Amino acid sequence: RKEVEQDPGPFNVPEGATVAFNCTYSNSASQSFFWYRQDCRKEPKLLMSVYSSGNEDGRFTAQLNRASQYISLLIRDSKLSDSATYLCVVNAPNFGNEKLTFGTGTRLTIIP
Amino acid sequence: DAGITQSPRHKVTETGTPVTLRCHQTENHRYMYWYRQDPGHGLRLIHYSYGVKDTDKGEVSDGYSVSRSKTEDFLLTLESATSSQTSVYFCAISESRGTNTGELFFGEGSRLTVL
Repeated sequence: RKEVEQDPGPFNVPEGATVAFNCTYSNSASQSFFWYRQDCRKEPKLLMSVYSSGNEDGRFTAQLNRASQYISLLIRDSKLSDSATYLCVVNAPNFGNEKLTFGTGTRLTIIP
Repeated sequence: DAGITQSPRHKVTETGTPVTLRCHQTENHRYMYWYRQDPGHGLRLIHYSYGVKDTDKGEVSDGYSVSRSKTEDFLLTLESATSSQTSVYFCAISESRGTNTGELFFGEGSRLTVL
C-alpha cells in the first residue's frame, strides 16, 4: 500500500460547481497534513495546511479524519483558475526524524 | 515569491556523463532539499541539507551526491547519468524542519533528459 494515495483524476468540472477529493495515508503516526497546488509544468506551492478541526480559506475547505486516515479538499464555486493538480502531503515521524510524503496528485480541470 | 533559482532549467545529456544542477536561494533559509518528480510517483526526496556542509540522504539517493559550501547554494551531482535519472528536479527550501513544517518553497524545476 502506498504511504499516501490520491485519485489521479482527471476531474473535469463545470465552472461554478463544487468539487471534492480525498487523500488516504497509511501511517497512523502521521502528524501534519497539507494540500499543495501545482500548475502544469510549474513548481508546487502550498495551498493550505489541514488542521484536526478542519479549516477553511475562502472557497477552500480542508478536513482531516484521523480514524479513517484520510484528508479531503473541497472547492466551492470553482473558477477556471482552479485548474491544476492538487498534491496531498503528509508529515510523519521517521526514526527520530521526519518525513514528508507527497501523493501523486489529483488533476482538476474546470470547464467553462 | 521565494527567491530560489535553479540552473540549468533544461538539459539533455548522454548516458555516462556527469551532470550538476545548481540551486541558489536569497532567503537565507537553513534547510534545502532536492526532489525528483516522475509520472506515477509523488515528489521524492533525493538529499537534503540542514546547514553548510551538513547533508543527509533522502529516499532515492543512489546515484546522486550533493554539496553545500555556502548557505545560499545547494548542488546536486549525477556522477554518471543514467536514463532512469531522466526526470524533473525541484529544489526546495524551508525555514525550519519539524513535524509541523509543511511549507516548502520550490524552485521552478530543472528538466533533465538522459539519452
